Amino acid sequence: NAGVTQTPKFQVLKTGQSMTLQCAQDMNHEYMSWYRQDPGMGLRLIHYSVGAGITDQGEVPNGYNVSRSTTEDFPLRLLSAAPSQTSVYFCASSSGVGMGNQPQHFGDGTRLSIL
Amino acid sequence: AQSVTQLGSHVSVSEGALVLLRCNYSSSVPPYLFWYVQYPNQGLQLLLKYTSAATLVKGINGFEAEFKKSETSFHLTKPSAHMSDAAEYFCAVSEAGYSTLTFGKGTMLLVSP
Repeated sequence: NAGVTQTPKFQVLKTGQSMTLQCAQDMNHEYMSWYRQDPGMGLRLIHYSVGAGITDQGEVPNGYNVSRSTTEDFPLRLLSAAPSQTSVYFCASSSGVGMGNQPQHFGDGTRLSIL
Repeated sequence: AQSVTQLGSHVSVSEGALVLLRCNYSSSVPPYLFWYVQYPNQGLQLLLKYTSAATLVKGINGFEAEFKKSETSFHLTKPSAHMSDAAEYFCAVSEAGYSTLTFGKGTMLLVSP
């Protein structure tokens, strides 16, 4: 049971480039989310999804795009990378959409640097 | 809107000493509360959660937390720190009807021999 798998683990981009961060879970969880972690800021929610075909914005959605075509996958797209998007990105999933009491399971993160 | 405040970005203790990490929350409805731990270069791992059952919650690795509604607090404690407890700890809140989590800014626990 792999849990939540994120790829790649590390990436360096140049300003203006685009890329997709991959996230897959094998727990049949309905809820998936993307966070970014910056020093002293904790984790901030970028986008989330409560099921295939349903996505919504979190606290810091600008510059990012998501889609959810299957239950298992929830990719995060950077449309035109900017240095301010240098961060560690975490994907998480949980069961019990709308219940609030289910813990989230986290991937190991993608460390992204924008030059 | 829900929010979480963690007092102290860094807490230092000696091995064997009491660990106390503070978390205060704001929520318009009864909250669900979580503590997560993050070891270097890893993702977040659930330590414990409060979901309106017992107010004293026991978690993994000897940690526990007490939900105090009157103080809007959910402080994390461990009677005796171990070197392996050195990590960053995050408090988070969610509410019934929602799946999104709001995190505090984290507290780095440093354990000295």
